[in-house]
Amino acid sequence: GAGVSQSPRYKVAKRGQDVALRCDPISGHVSLFWYQQALGQGPEFLTYFQNEAQLDKSGLPSDRFFAERPEGSVSTLKIQRTQQEDSAVYLCASNLPGLRGDTQYFGPGTRLTVL
Amino acid sequence: DQQVKQNSPSLSVQEGRISILNCDYTNSMFDYFLWYKKYPAEGPTFLISISSIKDKNEDGRFTVFLNKSAKHLSLHIVPSQPGDSAVYFCAAISGNTPLVFGKGTRLSVIA
Repeated sequence: GAGVSQSPRYKVAKRGQDVALRCDPISGHVSLFWYQQALGQGPEFLTYFQNEAQLDKSGLPSDRFFAERPEGSVSTLKIQRTQQEDSAVYLCASNLPGLRGDTQYFGPGTRLTVL
Repeated sequence: DQQVKQNSPSLSVQEGRISILNCDYTNSMFDYFLWYKKYPAEGPTFLISISSIKDKNEDGRFTVFLNKSAKHLSLHIVPSQPGDSAVYFCAAISGNTPLVFGKGTRLSVIA
């Protein structure tokens, strides 16, 4: 079956632009996670959804970052007024609820470069 | 403040030899530990995990060892193969908290 897909795979934005990154989780996966991976670092948790409910957004670095999952499937991570420090790979993962981290399936990521 | 530390950014090993990747953690509440493998332009994929109630878990060529008193775990790959060349991330969980990842170690297996 299809895995987690993300689009676009690469995005270049000028500083100050808004961007929207899309994640299509595995069909039937209730939980969805967003991570930010800066160059030379490991993935860092941003936010977590169970169906359409955003249960944890403690990792979002500023109020410029906003995530939604209105119908409990596709999710969008939006970054407003992008800054150079937002340059990173944004990873999405999905799984069934209540299971440990080994059952998280990751997408290939969107590489965002802010000039 | 890094709760999961992988102090070796890179490691080179001859094909057929053992690869040992190390990970240290500071949060004593972590109760589940995982290793993920990542190839370029792909997302991380789960490799092996261990619960804090165990000190060893083995899956084929991969073995993870946990030393809770030292807050240290290691991943052993034997024998190493060229296809094992990737970045390996150590990660940890406490209860239902999000995964906390280390910075990763790039393993190069030389034929």
